[in-house]
Amino acid sequence: SYELTQPPAVSVSPGQTARITCSGDALPEQYGYWYQQKPGQAPVLVIYKDSERPSGIPERFSGSSSGTTVTLTISGVQAEDEADYYCQSADSSSTLFVFGTGTKVTVL
Amino acid sequence: QVQLVESGGGVVQPGRSLRLSCAASGFTFSNCGMHWVRQAPGRGLEWVAVIWYDGSKKYYVDSVKGRFTISRDNSKNTLYLQMNSLRAEDTAVYYCARDRPPGMGWDYWGQGTLVTVSS
Repeated sequence: SYELTQPPAVSVSPGQTARITCSGDALPEQYGYWYQQKPGQAPVLVIYKDSERPSGIPERFSGSSSGTTVTLTISGVQAEDEADYYCQSADSSSTLFVFGTGTKVTVL
Repeated sequence: QVQLVESGGGVVQPGRSLRLSCAASGFTFSNCGMHWVRQAPGRGLEWVAVIWYDGSKKYYVDSVKGRFTISRDNSKNTLYLQMNSLRAEDTAVYYCARDRPPGMGWDYWGQGTLVTVSS
C-alpha cells in the first residue's frame, strides 16, 4: 500500500519558522495537500496543489514540492498554529487516497 | 453556507452493521465528489472511500473493501456509508468531506460521528 511519511513532531518558538516534510514515491506525479487539525475538531485544508493557499488561510502558511517530498512551511509561527498537520495525496492511479502519518506542531 | 452533517454513529457489536449519513447543504451537492475519512481514538487520519459526483465511480481503502459501501442520493443531497461485518478496528470518528473541483482539496468537512465496535 502507498504511504506518506512525516516526522512525528516539530517544536518551534513563537515567531520562528516551522517546516514539515512529507515523503512519498508518487509525489512527483501527484499533488500534495495539507490539513491542520486541532483537538476535537475536524481537519481544515491549509494548502492544496502543493503550494496554493485557500481563501481565509493566513499568508504565513506556504507549501512547496521537490521530487518525492512536499513541505509545509509556517513562517512567524503563532500560538494558535499548535495542532496536528497531515499531508495527503493519491497513488499514481488517482483512485486511492492516503494521509501522511501526521506531525504534531508544538509552539514553545 | 456550506454544511456537512454526519449522523448514524453509535455502539455496535462486532459483526453487525451500521449506516452513516452525511447531509449536505449550501452548495450543489451533485457537482462534487465526496469522501469518507476516519480517525481512530488517538490516531491519525485514514481515508476510507470516495464516490464520484454522479456516483459512477467508487474506490475504497483495502481494509474495508467488501465490507463497506459508499453511495449517494443527489436528490436528497445525502452521502451514505453502509458498514457491514464491523470489527473492533473500525472504531473511529467518521468524517465526510467535500472534494472541490478536481485538484483543489477537500475544503469542507463534517463534525464527525463516532462509531464504536464493541461487545
